[in-house]
Parts: sequence; C-alpha cells; structure tokens
Amino acid sequence: NAGVMQNPRHLVRRRGQEARLRCSPMKGHSHVYWYRQLPEEGLKFMVYLQKENIIDESGMPKERFSAEFPKEGPSILRIQQVVRGDSAAYFCASSPGTIYNEQFFGPGTRLTVL
Amino acid sequence: GENVEQHPSTLSVQEGDSAVIKCTYSDSASNYFPWYKQELGKRPQLIIDIRSNVGEKKDQRIAVTLNKTAKHFSLHITETQPEDSAVYFCAMGGAAGNKLTFGGGTRVLVKP
Repeated sequence: NAGVMQNPRHLVRRRGQEARLRCSPMKGHSHVYWYRQLPEEGLKFMVYLQKENIIDESGMPKERFSAEFPKEGPSILRIQQVVRGDSAAYFCASSPGTIYNEQFFGPGTRLTVL
Repeated sequence: GENVEQHPSTLSVQEGDSAVIKCTYSDSASNYFPWYKQELGKRPQLIIDIRSNVGEKKDQRIAVTLNKTAKHFSLHITETQPEDSAVYFCAMGGAAGNKLTFGGGTRVLVKP
C-alpha cells in the first residue's frame, strides 16, 4: 500500500511566478490536509479537503493561495504570485475519515522562492 | 483559541537514559493526541497516539500519558538510542476530519 505521494519534491520559483503542488493520498483515504512548515518551526494547518469539497480553509491565506481535490486526480495546492515569504516545506497528509483521525504525511514539497 | 505549548525546545540525553517531552493544550474539546517524529529533511512520522478515553499507552520503548483534567500530555522514551535523535512534535485534534494543531517541536539529541 503506497503511502502519501507528493510532487514535486523540490520546486524553485522566482517572485511573481505560480507554484503548483500535488498530493495523492494513501489508497482508501478520502481526507486530505495541507500543512506548511517554515524552517526550524512546527507545522501549521492550511486547508482540509474531501473529494470536490473544501471543508476547512481557516489556515490558508485569503489571497494568492487556493486548493482543490477533484473527483479524479491528486489534490493541488496553488500559490499565485509567489513571494520570498512563501519559501517553506509544504506537507500533505491524508486520513481514512473514519471515527479515528490518524493523519499520515507525504514527503513534502520544498518550495524556494528566489 | 487552539494552542499547544511544547517543552523543552531542545533536549540532550545520554544513550540509555530516558527522555520526556511535555505538551499542554487549551481546547478542552480535543480528544486525539498524536506524536510525530521528524528527521532532518524527512516527513513527520506518526509514532504513537492517544485518545481521551485512556490515560496511558505504551509501545515498546515509547509511552504517552494524558491528563485531561490538567490538559497536558507527555511522551516518554526509555533506553534512548542514537537513532532516536530527531525533532518530536506533539499535536492535538478532534473527531475524524479535524485538523491537527501542532506544538513547536522538541529537538532531541541522544549522545552515544
């Protein structure tokens, strides 16, 4: 059973460009979460999605950031017009969505904005 | 609001000794408390978790205790080994589907 997959693993963008991060949850998992980790810091929740629905986006900046989890394909976190402060590791986690809430993390995408 | 305080921020122990990390939280509705281990440049890995209906859980050299009245929970690692060196994060969550709120992390160094 493959774990949570993320790509790309590393992404370099210049200021003003768009970054698109992808996440494929574990097989059988229908809940996806995105977290951001700044260097030497903890993980901060951004957004929680189920198939075709955003359930909680309370941690995601209102501007430039968007997320989706279409019926087919991976979940995508999109950052428009990136700035240097967006440089971080972005982790996706998935859970089966049963009464338990174990979340399993992908390897992360390390975004560097030049 | 939701907040998790984690202490200490760094912990250095001699191989074979025990390590204890403590977390306190503010949201009394939380009922799920996982611990993650993150090695440098790697993903956070779930190492143990506890739910609010139990006070203690053990898995080999790792144990977690929960005091819901006092709103704190702790991770205990016994007989530490060099491979236990990593950053450990506590977190809290609610029912299925709830986001996790993480502590600031504890950098553990096990000296051989």
